[in-house]
Amino acid sequence: AQTVTQSQPEMSVQEAETVTLSCTYDTSESNYYLFWYKQPPSRQMILVIRQEAYKQQNATENRFSVNFQKAAKSFSLKISDSQLGDTAMYFCAFMKHSNNDMRFGAGTRLTVKP
Amino acid sequence: DAEITQSPRHKITETGRQVTLACHQTWNHNNMFWYRQDLGHGLRLIHYSYGVQDTNKGEVSDGYSVSRSNTEDLPLTLESAASSQTSVYFCASSEGSGRTFFGQGTRLTVV
Repeated sequence: AQTVTQSQPEMSVQEAETVTLSCTYDTSESNYYLFWYKQPPSRQMILVIRQEAYKQQNATENRFSVNFQKAAKSFSLKISDSQLGDTAMYFCAFMKHSNNDMRFGAGTRLTVKP
Repeated sequence: DAEITQSPRHKITETGRQVTLACHQTWNHNNMFWYRQDLGHGLRLIHYSYGVQDTNKGEVSDGYSVSRSNTEDLPLTLESAASSQTSVYFCASSEGSGRTFFGQGTRLTVV
């Protein structure tokens, strides 16, 4: 079974600074996807970034980037130039290529302070 | 625009009652999922379906059932609601490639 671990239940960062959220996972699969989702108070699940395991290049989306270390099974999210609107719960998730069900970590609550 | 909608957004029910949460998607996706979200656990998979008449149990399926009679809908039924089923429920759909879309969530309270 796949497990996803987020070891930081809560984090905070000053506006305009950079923060990194950690995620590790355990799997015997070689083909899979990894995701970071943002959940603001509205409860909506918003895809932040997606990484395919066969791609060595780290995914980036504007201020969001990942550090994907396949051998170490690590998938951290870096948020640059943090904004107040980044305040939310962030979930790391894993999905095998062979099916489409996701396994989520417990989440990290990020607060951006003015 | 295609979308995925859940109803109701909020529901309070009594212990022992049968409850059905609706999920409707217009993406024409074959894959649909139900998750529950609880503090400290993230989202956990309840049931999923890969197409009409196909249903499968997820990691926390006890006390829940689903049916898939068409592509668009995957209703989730709590046969006899229990206080342990108080949670936020999310429906999702996907069509391969890892791209998954979530509904807005339903907050269910069992009293």
